[in-house]
Amino acid sequence: DTAVSQTPKYLVTQMGNDKSIKCEQNLGHDTMYWYKQDSKKFLKIMFSYNNKELIINETVPNRFSPKSPDKAHLNLHINSLELGDSAVYFCASSDAGEPGANVLTFGAGSRLTVL
Amino acid sequence: GQSLEQPSEVTAVEGAIVQINCTYQTSGFYGLSWYQQHDGGAPTFLSYNGLDGLEETGRFSSFLSRSDSYGYLLLQELQMKDSASYFCAVDTGRRALTFGSGTRLQVQP
Repeated sequence: DTAVSQTPKYLVTQMGNDKSIKCEQNLGHDTMYWYKQDSKKFLKIMFSYNNKELIINETVPNRFSPKSPDKAHLNLHINSLELGDSAVYFCASSDAGEPGANVLTFGAGSRLTVL
Repeated sequence: GQSLEQPSEVTAVEGAIVQINCTYQTSGFYGLSWYQQHDGGAPTFLSYNGLDGLEETGRFSSFLSRSDSYGYLLLQELQMKDSASYFCAVDTGRRALTFGSGTRLQVQP
């Protein structure tokens, strides 16, 4: 029973297209995240949601639009894809509680390739 | 801004001990975590230090010195399956972790 599941695992698309990645967690966590991992393996926070509310938007271009219909789901829609968007996108969740006890559980990742 | 420094690559042999260091400069600090990521896999949580000192979990230990803005991950009795990337990450209280650039550990027979 997968704790954090994201689909699709692989996405290959042309520049200019729009694509979505879905994420669901069954851990009962209150906070969900999108991280981007580039080709140099650098993991960068994009968005953070707590109980469906956006709490972090880390200067991501507005072509990226997250949506959280409920606290178990966080989807990512990307408009007008660019070559530089090619990366692995990880969804994660945590039961953040008080600061300092934040253990993230990651999904398996979605590898996006823009041609 | 936030910055975390860790070595890009470390090589060691099976059965040995290896230490991966992490220094950080962040505005706000609640704790230092370590994550392991195998090629093609997802990062997985290894350990967390909120207070100064050593935390031990089996073959892995992690250390933190808040006054030095420094921590390390110690891996003992290295096994081939420990070959992976290891990331330190800081909790600045923003409800997201800021990750270092990762250290690729290569364990050789």
